[in-house]
Amino acid sequence: AQSVSQHNHHVILSEAASLELGCNYSYGGTVNLFWYVQYPGQHLQLLLKYFSGDPLVKGIKGFEAEFIKSKFSFNLRKPSVQWSDTAEYFCAVNTGGFKTIFGAGTRLFVKA
Amino acid sequence: EAGVAQSPRYKIIEKRQSVAFWCNPISGHATLYWYQQILGQGPKLLIQFQNNGVVDDSQLPKDRFSAERLKGVDSTLKIQPAKLEDSAVYLCASSLDSGTGSTGYTFGSGTRLTVV
Repeated sequence: AQSVSQHNHHVILSEAASLELGCNYSYGGTVNLFWYVQYPGQHLQLLLKYFSGDPLVKGIKGFEAEFIKSKFSFNLRKPSVQWSDTAEYFCAVNTGGFKTIFGAGTRLFVKA
Repeated sequence: EAGVAQSPRYKIIEKRQSVAFWCNPISGHATLYWYQQILGQGPKLLIQFQNNGVVDDSQLPKDRFSAERLKGVDSTLKIQPAKLEDSAVYLCASSLDSGTGSTGYTFGSGTRLTVV
């Protein structure tokens, strides 16, 4: 069965530190990839998505993600985090059909 | 544009009682999803509608959960009878696409259900 793994459940960083959140999926076919973010007290929001083309995708608020097909990975990065990036981040994979599977999420806390 | 509306925001019930959640998707969004998010886990799809037809309900516990989307707009999700393990946040989402998620999902704020 398809699955999505997020390696870190909790990450604590200081402001201005660089961020990389890991995401791996298990599916051998064509995939559509997403990162969603949930800020405290708010609903899930789409951060960025990959469908085809350039494997380096840029999203909102300075986030980017790189699709590496050979590694079945779609890691999220940000060069310099801010306190306002404190949130929970979810990786999600759609296998070209109708089902989007979410990872368990990574809680990021940025210290001011 | 208005977001996905869900109600109620919170609900506490005793086990074996019934409960219903309501969702109003973004106008024009053909596809509607109900997800269950248990504390510490990612959202899990319960049921997906395209217009008023069910596309996927393979993970819906049909002995106790039911959902409908009359007229292809609003949707209700019902649990009867509830169990302790049903305690979770129930998320409704909608998308403009036919279910591939290509346009991204728009989520509602969710209903936090506590079964005691």
